[in-house]
This record gives sequence, structure tokens and C-alpha cells, in this order.
Amino acid sequence: DIQMTQSPSSLSASVGDRVTITCRASQSINSFLNWYQQKPGQAPELLIHTASSLHSGVPSRFSGSGSGTDFTLTISGLQPEDFATYHCQQTSSTPYTFGQGTKLEIK
Amino acid sequence: QVQLVQSGAEVKKPGASVKVSCNTSGYTFTRYGISWVRQAPGQGLEWMGWISGYNGNTNYAQKFQGRVTMTTDTSTSTAYLDLRSLRSDDTAVYFCTRDYYTSGSYYNPFWGQGTLVTVSS
Repeated sequence: DIQMTQSPSSLSASVGDRVTITCRASQSINSFLNWYQQKPGQAPELLIHTASSLHSGVPSRFSGSGSGTDFTLTISGLQPEDFATYHCQQTSSTPYTFGQGTKLEIK
Repeated sequence: QVQLVQSGAEVKKPGASVKVSCNTSGYTFTRYGISWVRQAPGQGLEWMGWISGYNGNTNYAQKFQGRVTMTTDTSTSTAYLDLRSLRSDDTAVYFCTRDYYTSGSYYNPFWGQGTLVTVSS
């Protein structure tokens, strides 16, 4: 199975900050990497697919980059509604494994 | 609009089985697959497997092989997850999610609300 490692596990930031979350795969997954946002008690929501493609309706302050084994999710200009947990997922080969999640908290 | 509505919370004893349903609407059921993902309390997401809405083909994570069965009923556009021999570490919220596949890209834009399954004696 492909292991996905996110860092950091948690992050404190302020409204307006720019934050970056990284996700590393244990082997190359090309660009088959998705990012999801999850708020407490809710289902995950798709933010970015195929490493850098913004899902429909997602604000442009979210962006993704990377290929191979190293990927990043960047939020430029944090808004109050962005404080949540972020998950990466590889869809290069089954099982489609997730990272352990990054909890973004208000400083 | 696409909707996935899951069945309600369940409480089961160790060794029992649970069947979770995922009733879909707003799209042609046979054109897409359904994945099941679970989340233990305070933990990350875990992909359990996938079923084709077209022909019922399945792909299960090896961890669940022999304990899980995913099925569909195309007449009602409903997917089902059956998990047997439940253990306390199966306590989790179970999500169904509809996939989208294009040009090699695969992702899950639509999710059910989740079903809490509690395994306790």
C-alpha cells in the first residue's frame, strides 16, 4: 500500500495568513492526489483534484501543487471558515490511502 | 442536484454484522461508482473499497477482505455496505461517496452525511 504522510499534524494561524500543508507519498503517484476539507461533524468536501485542479465552487485562495511524491496545499489569506482539518488522498493505486490529516486552528 | 443519503446510526455487539445503506439521487446511478470510507473517532479517513454502479464489480482494501461486502440495487439507486464480525475498533463513522473519473483522474466530489456505527458489548 502507498503510505501518505502529511505535515504538520496541526497548525495554528491567524485570519489573513498564508499557510502551506505538505503531503508526501511513499512512492510516485504522478499527479493522482486530491485534497479534502473536513469540518467537525461533517463529511469531507473536495477542494483540489489531480494535485492542482481547483474543484468547482472552491475559492481561488486554495491552490495545490506537486507531482511524484511531494505535494502542497496552500491557502492564501485565511478566512474564518477555513479553520478545519485537511486530508490528502492518493488515487494512483488501490487502496486509495489518505494522509493522517492536518488540523488548522485559529491562533 | 446529486445527493447521497445514508441510513441512521447503529449500535452493535462484538461479532455481529451491520448493513449501511446509501440512497442516491440526482444522477444516473449506473454511470458512476461508490466508494466507502470510514473514520474512527478522532482519527483520519480510511478507504474501504469501491463498487461499480454499472456492473457491481468491487475492489476491497485487503484489510477488509473476507469481512466486507459491497452491493448495489440499481432499481432504487442504492448502495450497501455490509461489515461482519464486528470488533470494537470498527467503531467509526462510515461514509459513502460517489466517484468521478476522467482522463486518468479519479476523485470523490459527492459524499453522504455519514453513519455512526458503534460496536460495544
